[in-house]
Amino acid sequence: QVQLVQSGAEVKKPGSSVKVSCKTSGGSFSSSAISWVRQAPGQGLEWMGGIIPIFGTIDYAQRFQGRVTITADESTNTAYMELISLKSEDTAVYYCARGEDLVATVVKRYYFDSWGQGTLVTVSS
Amino acid sequence: DIQMTQSPSTLSASVGDRITITCRANQTINTWLAWYQQKPGKAPKLLISKASILKSEVPSRFSGSGFGAEFTLTISSLQPDDSATYYCQQYNTYSTFGQGTKVEI
Repeated sequence: QVQLVQSGAEVKKPGSSVKVSCKTSGGSFSSSAISWVRQAPGQGLEWMGGIIPIFGTIDYAQRFQGRVTITADESTNTAYMELISLKSEDTAVYYCARGEDLVATVVKRYYFDSWGQGTLVTVSS
Repeated sequence: DIQMTQSPSTLSASVGDRITITCRANQTINTWLAWYQQKPGKAPKLLISKASILKSEVPSRFSGSGFGAEFTLTISSLQPDDSATYYCQQYNTYSTFGQGTKVEI
Protein backbone atom coordinates (compact mmCIF):
# COMPACT_ATOMS: atom_id res chain seq x y z
CA GLN A 1 0.00 0.00 0.00
CA VAL A 2 1.38 3.35 -1.06
CA GLN A 3 1.54 6.06 1.59
CA LEU A 4 2.60 9.69 1.26
CA VAL A 5 3.40 11.69 4.39
CA GLN A 6 4.00 15.42 4.06
CA SER A 7 5.80 17.91 6.28
CA GLY A 8 3.89 20.18 8.63
CA ALA A 9 2.12 23.48 8.22
CA GLU A 10 4.15 26.62 7.46
CA VAL A 11 3.63 30.33 8.00
CA LYS A 12 5.70 32.52 5.71
CA LYS A 13 6.23 36.20 5.01
CA PRO A 14 5.59 37.62 1.54
CA GLY A 15 8.74 37.42 -0.58
CA SER A 16 10.12 34.41 1.27
CA SER A 17 10.22 30.79 0.14
CA VAL A 18 8.86 27.50 1.39
CA LYS A 19 9.98 23.91 0.90
CA VAL A 20 7.54 21.06 1.51
CA SER A 21 8.56 17.41 1.70
CA CYS A 22 6.65 14.26 0.82
CA LYS A 23 8.01 10.96 2.11
CA THR A 24 6.59 7.94 0.34
CA SER A 25 6.46 4.24 1.11
CA GLY A 26 5.20 1.25 -0.85
CA GLY A 27 5.18 0.69 -4.56
CA SER A 28 8.06 1.89 -6.71
CA PHE A 29 9.13 5.47 -6.08
CA SER A 30 11.47 5.64 -9.06
CA SER A 31 8.99 4.42 -11.66
CA SER A 32 6.06 6.48 -10.41
CA ALA A 33 5.02 9.97 -11.47
CA ILE A 34 4.96 12.37 -8.52
CA SER A 35 3.16 15.68 -8.67
CA TRP A 36 2.38 18.68 -6.52
CA VAL A 37 -1.16 20.01 -6.54
CA ARG A 38 -2.42 22.98 -4.56
CA GLN A 39 -5.83 24.13 -3.40
CA ALA A 40 -6.47 27.67 -2.25
CA PRO A 41 -9.14 28.14 0.44
CA GLY A 42 -12.57 27.32 -0.98
CA GLN A 43 -11.13 26.83 -4.46
CA GLY A 44 -10.43 23.96 -6.85
CA LEU A 45 -7.34 21.89 -7.54
CA GLU A 46 -4.35 23.23 -9.44
CA TRP A 47 -1.46 21.15 -10.78
CA MET A 48 1.90 22.80 -10.19
CA GLY A 49 4.27 20.29 -11.69
CA GLY A 50 5.60 16.77 -11.55
CA ILE A 51 8.66 14.57 -11.61
CA ILE A 52 9.36 11.06 -12.91
CA PRO A 53 12.54 9.92 -11.17
CA ILE A 54 13.32 6.96 -13.42
CA PHE A 55 13.56 9.24 -16.46
CA GLY A 56 14.85 12.31 -14.64
CA THR A 57 11.90 14.19 -16.11
CA ILE A 58 10.57 17.33 -14.43
CA ASP A 59 7.62 19.31 -15.77
CA TYR A 60 6.11 22.53 -14.50
CA ALA A 61 2.81 24.22 -15.16
CA GLN A 62 3.48 27.38 -17.13
CA ARG A 63 2.11 29.73 -14.47
CA PHE A 64 4.63 28.42 -11.93
CA GLN A 65 7.67 28.31 -14.20
CA GLY A 66 10.57 30.09 -12.57
CA ARG A 67 9.01 30.07 -9.12
CA VAL A 68 8.72 26.38 -8.29
CA THR A 69 11.34 23.66 -8.07
CA ILE A 70 10.44 19.99 -7.70
CA THR A 71 13.06 17.45 -6.74
CA ALA A 72 13.20 13.81 -5.70
CA ASP A 73 15.62 11.90 -3.50
CA GLU A 74 15.51 8.26 -4.54
CA SER A 75 17.68 7.22 -1.58
CA THR A 76 14.92 8.24 0.83
CA ASN A 77 11.87 7.98 -1.48
CA THR A 78 11.11 11.62 -0.73
CA ALA A 79 9.89 14.34 -3.06
CA TYR A 80 10.23 18.07 -2.43
CA MET A 81 8.52 21.21 -3.69
CA GLU A 82 10.06 24.63 -3.19
CA LEU A 83 8.11 27.77 -4.02
CA ILE A 84 9.89 31.14 -3.98
CA SER A 85 8.79 34.78 -3.99
CA LEU A 86 5.71 33.93 -1.98
CA LYS A 87 2.61 36.12 -2.23
CA SER A 88 -0.55 36.14 -0.19
CA GLU A 89 -2.27 34.41 -3.12
CA ASP A 90 0.00 31.39 -2.53
CA THR A 91 -1.85 30.64 0.70
CA ALA A 92 -3.18 27.15 0.07
CA VAL A 93 -3.04 23.49 0.98
CA TYR A 94 -0.27 21.84 -0.99
CA TYR A 95 -0.61 18.15 -1.81
CA CYS A 96 1.85 15.67 -3.18
CA ALA A 97 0.31 12.93 -5.25
CA ARG A 98 1.60 9.88 -7.07
CA GLY A 99 0.54 7.86 -10.09
CA GLU A 100 1.50 4.18 -10.20
CA ASP A 101 0.48 3.08 -13.71
CA LEU A 102 3.71 2.28 -15.54
CA VAL A 103 2.09 2.74 -18.94
CA ALA A 104 1.10 6.28 -17.98
CA THR A 105 4.51 6.96 -16.49
CA VAL A 106 6.38 5.82 -19.63
CA VAL A 107 4.43 8.33 -21.71
CA LYS A 108 4.78 11.05 -19.06
CA ARG A 109 1.16 11.23 -18.00
CA TYR A 110 0.50 12.69 -14.55
CA TYR A 111 -2.52 11.35 -12.70
CA PHE A 112 -2.88 10.51 -9.04
CA ASP A 113 -3.53 7.13 -7.40
CA SER A 114 -2.41 8.26 -3.97
CA TRP A 115 -2.27 11.58 -2.15
CA GLY A 116 -0.47 13.02 0.83
CA GLN A 117 -2.44 14.51 3.69
CA GLY A 118 -1.77 18.07 2.56
CA THR A 119 0.38 20.87 3.96
CA LEU A 120 -1.16 24.25 4.72
CA VAL A 121 1.10 27.11 3.71
CA THR A 122 -0.04 30.50 4.96
CA VAL A 123 1.59 33.60 3.50
CA SER A 124 0.99 36.65 5.63
CA SER A 125 2.85 39.73 6.77
CA ASP B 1 -3.27 24.99 -22.36
CA ILE B 2 -6.05 22.43 -22.18
CA GLN B 3 -9.12 23.79 -20.41
CA MET B 4 -11.63 21.51 -18.66
CA THR B 5 -15.22 22.54 -18.11
CA GLN B 6 -17.44 20.60 -15.72
CA SER B 7 -21.21 20.80 -15.44
CA PRO B 8 -23.17 21.32 -13.39
CA SER B 9 -21.30 23.24 -10.70
CA THR B 10 -23.73 22.04 -8.06
CA LEU B 11 -26.12 19.13 -8.12
CA SER B 12 -28.81 18.30 -5.57
CA ALA B 13 -30.29 14.82 -5.64
CA SER B 14 -31.84 12.18 -3.42
CA VAL B 15 -30.61 8.84 -2.16
CA GLY B 16 -31.10 6.24 -4.89
CA ASP B 17 -31.03 8.74 -7.76
CA ARG B 18 -28.90 8.26 -10.84
CA ILE B 19 -26.72 11.30 -11.49
CA THR B 20 -24.34 12.30 -14.25
CA ILE B 21 -21.55 14.87 -14.25
CA THR B 22 -20.13 16.05 -17.56
CA CYS B 23 -16.59 17.17 -18.30
CA ARG B 24 -15.55 18.77 -21.60
CA ALA B 25 -12.06 19.52 -22.85
CA ASN B 26 -11.30 22.29 -25.32
CA GLN B 27 -9.27 19.84 -27.39
CA THR B 28 -9.06 16.08 -27.74
CA ILE B 29 -7.41 14.21 -24.89
CA ASN B 30 -8.00 10.63 -26.05
CA THR B 31 -8.98 8.82 -22.81
CA TRP B 32 -6.45 10.51 -20.56
CA LEU B 33 -9.13 11.57 -18.10
CA ALA B 34 -9.49 10.84 -14.39
CA TRP B 35 -12.21 11.52 -11.83
CA TYR B 36 -11.64 12.32 -8.15
CA GLN B 37 -13.86 12.64 -5.11
CA GLN B 38 -13.02 15.15 -2.40
CA LYS B 39 -14.70 15.58 0.96
CA PRO B 40 -14.22 18.72 3.08
CA GLY B 41 -10.83 18.89 4.77
CA LYS B 42 -9.59 15.75 3.04
CA ALA B 43 -7.30 14.96 0.15
CA PRO B 44 -8.97 13.92 -3.10
CA LYS B 45 -9.40 10.24 -3.87
CA LEU B 46 -9.06 8.66 -7.29
CA LEU B 47 -12.25 7.05 -8.56
CA ILE B 48 -11.60 6.44 -12.24
CA SER B 49 -8.59 6.63 -14.57
CA LYS B 50 -8.27 6.36 -18.38
CA ALA B 51 -11.86 7.65 -18.60
CA SER B 52 -13.49 4.37 -17.54
CA ILE B 53 -11.16 2.24 -15.39
CA LEU B 54 -12.61 1.97 -11.90
CA LYS B 55 -9.99 2.00 -9.18
CA SER B 56 -10.08 -1.14 -7.05
CA GLU B 57 -12.21 -0.80 -3.91
CA VAL B 58 -14.29 1.99 -5.45
CA PRO B 59 -17.97 0.97 -5.39
CA SER B 60 -19.37 -0.28 -8.69
CA ARG B 61 -22.14 2.35 -8.64
CA PHE B 62 -19.48 4.74 -9.99
CA SER B 63 -18.72 4.56 -13.70
CA GLY B 64 -17.02 6.72 -16.28
CA SER B 65 -17.28 6.98 -20.03
CA GLY B 66 -16.20 9.11 -22.94
CA PHE B 67 -13.45 9.64 -25.49
CA GLY B 68 -11.89 12.59 -27.20
CA ALA B 69 -13.25 15.73 -25.57
CA GLU B 70 -16.46 14.78 -23.75
CA PHE B 71 -16.68 12.59 -20.67
CA THR B 72 -19.18 11.64 -18.00
CA LEU B 73 -19.11 10.36 -14.45
CA THR B 74 -22.24 8.48 -13.43
CA ILE B 75 -23.35 7.39 -9.99
CA SER B 76 -26.06 4.81 -10.59
CA SER B 77 -27.69 4.89 -7.17
CA LEU B 78 -26.65 7.83 -5.02
CA GLN B 79 -25.72 7.04 -1.41
CA PRO B 80 -25.35 9.40 1.57
CA ASP B 81 -21.59 8.83 1.57
CA ASP B 82 -21.38 10.22 -1.98
CA SER B 83 -21.92 13.77 -0.78
CA ALA B 84 -18.67 15.43 -1.95
CA THR B 85 -17.08 17.55 -4.65
CA TYR B 86 -16.05 15.72 -7.81
CA TYR B 87 -13.26 16.82 -10.11
CA CYS B 88 -12.27 15.68 -13.56
CA GLN B 89 -8.63 15.92 -14.60
CA GLN B 90 -7.04 15.67 -18.02
CA TYR B 91 -3.56 14.22 -18.20
CA ASN B 92 -3.01 14.16 -21.92
CA THR B 93 -0.80 17.23 -21.75
CA TYR B 94 0.56 17.87 -18.29
CA SER B 95 -2.51 18.17 -16.07
CA THR B 96 -5.58 20.34 -15.72
CA PHE B 97 -8.56 19.97 -13.41
CA GLY B 98 -12.15 20.92 -13.97
CA GLN B 99 -13.61 23.45 -11.57
CA GLY B 100 -15.49 20.79 -9.59
CA THR B 101 -19.07 19.66 -9.09
CA LYS B 102 -20.52 19.74 -5.60
CA VAL B 103 -23.00 16.93 -5.04
CA GLU B 104 -25.55 17.53 -2.29
CA ILE B 105 -27.88 14.89 -1.00
